[in-house]
Amino acid sequence: AQKVTQAQTEISVVEKEDVTLDCVYETRDTTYYLFWYKQPPSGELVFLIRRNSFDEQNEISGRYSWNFQKSTSSFNFTITASQVVDSAVYFCALKMLQTGANNLFFGTGTRLTVIP
Amino acid sequence: AAGVIQSPRHLIKEKRETATLKCYPIPRHDTVYWYQQGPGQDPQFLISFYEKMQSDKGSIPDRFSAQQFSDYHSELNMSSLELGDSALYFCASKRAGVRQETQYFGPGTRLLVL
Repeated sequence: AQKVTQAQTEISVVEKEDVTLDCVYETRDTTYYLFWYKQPPSGELVFLIRRNSFDEQNEISGRYSWNFQKSTSSFNFTITASQVVDSAVYFCALKMLQTGANNLFFGTGTRLTVIP
Repeated sequence: AAGVIQSPRHLIKEKRETATLKCYPIPRHDTVYWYQQGPGQDPQFLISFYEKMQSDKGSIPDRFSAQQFSDYHSELNMSSLELGDSALYFCASKRAGVRQETQYFGPGTRLLVL
């Protein structure tokens, strides 16, 4: 069975601090994709990044970086020098390619509050 | 760039009424997904369509039905609404093809059942 765990329900940081959001996944598939989405207070779901299971290269995009470790089934997300606009709920999601399920499986989300 | 369009953005209905939510995917996207997000919950998959055919089914109640039309837009029809149907309903679309796995979400329709 597949599962995405985001153990941190809520995190608060002071502006300019770095913060890491954890994501641990379970799947029997050897081919899959992992995603991060951001849901700001306005409610929309904004795509941030996609990673496939064969690509363990870490990625950096501005203040955002992602650490994919297949050995520990983790796909963690770090925001450097956090800003108030980063305040949102962040979802990690899994898409399997072998099982046949067509949809995304989401974690329960981490609510990040950046305090000015 | 064009995004997924959903209408209406907000909807208020009474119990036992019906509701129709519409989704217009990104141009050249032929796969549409519907998700339901309850208050404080993560999005849960309802149903998906590829090339106007239902491709997968999740936890969609029997009171709900959906279809995808020839122009690729999709509609989610909800009947005999219950208080528990109050949620944010997302539509997502993606392009078919190898490695085209990213689903892009619309802004959602917020449904309140009174």
